[in-house]
Amino acid sequence: IQLTQSPSSLSASVGDRVTITCRASQGISSFLAWYQQKPGKAPKLLIYAASTLQSGVPSRFSGSGSGTDFTLTISSLQPEDFATYYCQQLSSYPHTFGGGTKVGIK
Amino acid sequence: QAQLVESGGGVVQPGRSLRLSCAASGLTFSSYAMHWVRQTPDKGLEWVAVISYDGSKIYYLDSVKGRFTISRDNSRNTLYLQMNSLRADDTAVYFCASPVDTPYFDHWGQGTLVTVSS
Repeated sequence: IQLTQSPSSLSASVGDRVTITCRASQGISSFLAWYQQKPGKAPKLLIYAASTLQSGVPSRFSGSGSGTDFTLTISSLQPEDFATYYCQQLSSYPHTFGGGTKVGIK
Repeated sequence: QAQLVESGGGVVQPGRSLRLSCAASGLTFSSYAMHWVRQTPDKGLEWVAVISYDGSKIYYLDSVKGRFTISRDNSRNTLYLQMNSLRADDTAVYFCASPVDTPYFDHWGQGTLVTVSS
């Protein structure tokens, strides 16, 4: 299963609403996760089962979608949110990742 | 606090072997499946292999089948990745990861760098 993320990069300002999409090449129900990664660090789980917020993750992060189309939304971008975001499907092996979306400062 | 710590990375010549380890602490290691994930600047994040909590089920990425072997020692709380016939395109940071609090990859190690070069 291939995951296509868009855009591959974006520039935004603090306070902006940011939306990242992830499209699966076939239906994966809700078996999708979103991760945030900062340079030199391991990915951090933000959202799982497409829309469930991981414990400790700020509520400005939200996820939606099922089947083949998914969205990660950051409602009001904060300075600590500048990072790269990845989706991952856990519907079947191999558990593929999307290509990533780098969120930079405008 | 669950912690995963990888070790064993380094520089190795093409065709040679390397074994990675992932030491777990702060969790009941024998209860959880364990995964290896690698990352390169070109390919991004790439899932590599998984082993079930008791070692009875194993799956691999096609490109490493027959060359890599995932295993675990629940008595030592340690996960392994034996990598044979290494190729330049195996160069990556290798992470171990596990679903501990959720069915997803909620715990990760810090990663260990493997460089395959002559």
